[in-house]
Amino acid sequence: NAGVTQTPKFQVLKTGQSMTLQCAQDMNHEYMSWYRQDPGMGLRLIHYSVGAGITDQGEVPNGYNVSRSTTEDFPLRLLSAAPSQTSVYFCASSPNRDNEQFFGPGTRLTVL
Amino acid sequence: TQLLEQSPQFLSIQEGENLTVYCNSSSVFSSLQWYRQEPGEGPVLLVTVVTGGEVKKLKRLTFQFGDARKDSSLHITAAQPGDTGLYLCAGRLLWMKTSYDKVIFGPGTSLSVIP
Repeated sequence: NAGVTQTPKFQVLKTGQSMTLQCAQDMNHEYMSWYRQDPGMGLRLIHYSVGAGITDQGEVPNGYNVSRSTTEDFPLRLLSAAPSQTSVYFCASSPNRDNEQFFGPGTRLTVL
Repeated sequence: TQLLEQSPQFLSIQEGENLTVYCNSSSVFSSLQWYRQEPGEGPVLLVTVVTGGEVKKLKRLTFQFGDARKDSSLHITAAQPGDTGLYLCAGRLLWMKTSYDKVIFGPGTSLSVIP
């Protein structure tokens, strides 16, 4: 099993550009989530999904969209990038709500 | 505010020393997890504690959940360079037990163990 994979590893965008961060898991987990990690602030939940076709907002959803058309994939879309979205983004998956979260390796995004 | 604090923020010690890091909140948690994150990688779960007063040991690491389930500590005995990393605590809020989304992370303690 590859676990949770994320692409790209690094990305630089200009303000106003759009892009999609990819996340995939091969563990047949129902729950998937996106976090951003900023210095001194820990991990903050952006969006999450409890299964294919179901998504909901986390703590900091503004400026981001998600969809969950399959169990395996959970892409995160930035519609119009802003410098405040410069961060490291982590995708995670979990078998169910009480289990351990498995994190991907992260995407380091810089918005100029 | 559902805030989870960790202390110290940074810690640099010599190999062989003991250390304790703390995770504190004013909120009550149904469970609390500790993760370790190495540079350039995602966090990896070390332990989950669910009962007030619970103590769990993982080799040289000892985790304790406070009696009131508002705080936790991680004690490392005879630290080794391989223990270097960012230690994150994450608490699941008690009153939102049925909601997957109510897990909050602390800012982390960055540990450096010098050979």
